[in-house]
Formats: sequence, structure tokens, C-alpha cells
Amino acid sequence: GENVEQHPSTLSVQEGDSAVIKCTYSDSASNYFPWYKQELGKGPQLIIDIRSNVGEKKDQRIAVTLNKTAKHFSLHITETQPEDSAVYFCAASMDTGRRALTFGSGTRLQVQP
Amino acid sequence: DTEVTQTPKHLVMGMTNKKSLKCEQHMGHRAMYWYKQKAKKPPELMFVYSYEKLSINESVPSRFSPECPNSSLLNLHLHALQPEDSALYLCASSWTGGEAEAFFGQGTRLTVV
Repeated sequence: GENVEQHPSTLSVQEGDSAVIKCTYSDSASNYFPWYKQELGKGPQLIIDIRSNVGEKKDQRIAVTLNKTAKHFSLHITETQPEDSAVYFCAASMDTGRRALTFGSGTRLQVQP
Repeated sequence: DTEVTQTPKHLVMGMTNKKSLKCEQHMGHRAMYWYKQKAKKPPELMFVYSYEKLSINESVPSRFSPECPNSSLLNLHLHALQPEDSALYLCASSWTGGEAEAFFGQGTRLTVV
């Protein structure tokens, strides 16, 4: 089955700096890659996603890039703010077979004011 | 509206109790999911319903029994749970499985005593 690896497990940045979180996936059939933000005591919130026919997608301060050949994708957050502090999960899924999300292990992002 | 509503928010139950978790969405989504999340871990898939039929059971013990009464509702019936079943139980929904955006509820924090 699909396996998603995520790095780093923790990331501490100064307010205003950029943060990058990286994920790799194992199944070349995966074609959908969402990113979720989870704050303490809450459910995961979808913040951005990318499909395999696109190499990059941007939404204000966040962007995601996908390299299908290398089977990795990354989340980029620019101009970080304290409210960006949370746990971020990458995930992968496909529209055939096991049509459900497989999550990475998560990254705890701490933005220092 | 991308809201998935889960009740109750918190539940404490004894090992001999029977209880149910409820999930509701009104987005017209036809796929609904139960995930289990332990502290500092990613969500783990338990069950997937597609068009009100159970399509995936990730080898979940029979003390967890899912039910999808209609396209908007998803229940998880609990019986004879163990303390190690204490976790955050998350419900999610999407238009269909695979590469459709999945939206999560806030979860039910379950404690088995």
C-alpha cells in the first residue's frame, strides 16, 4: 500500500521567516496530495492541495510543489506568523483502488514571535 | 459550507458500556470516513462508506461497528472497548473517494475507563 514519509518532525522558525515541510510517497498511482493544519483540540483543516497534473499551486502565503518523477511534494509557508503554529500533515490518495487518504507522520511548526 | 459536525465532543465510557458517535454533513458528499487519532500521531483510517455502502474496513476490531443510515449521517457504535481505544475519533467526508477534497469534523475525544 501507499506509504508517506514527512520531514522534519518539528520545525521552529522566527516570525516572518519561511518554513518548508517535505513529503515523499511510494505509490506512483497516487494523484492527489492535500495538506492539513491541525490545531490543538481540533480536527485537521484542509489548507491547500495539488493534483498530479500540476507542478505548483499557490494561495497567498502558502504554496505546494510536486515532483512526480521523484515522488515528493513540499509545503512552503512564507512570512510566517504565530498563528501558523500547529501540526501540519501531508497526505496522498488516488482515484482507483484504496480511495482514501494516507497521512504522513506530521510536522509540529512553532513560529516564535 | 464545508462543515462536518460530530457529536459528542467528549465521551467517557466504561469498558462494559455501549455508546455511539455521530457525524453529519450537508454538503452532498457521497463518501464518509472514520479515522482514529492517537496523541502526536497522524489520523489512521478505520472505515470508508461510499454511496452509503461500506467500501473499506481497515481490519478494525468488531467492538467498533459503523453505520451509514443515509447519505448525510455516519455513526460509529462502540461496545466493550478497551482503555487503549481512548483516542480522538474523526469523521470526514468528500464528494467521492480518491482525489476529492476531504473535510474533517472537530472529532470526539473518547476516554475508556
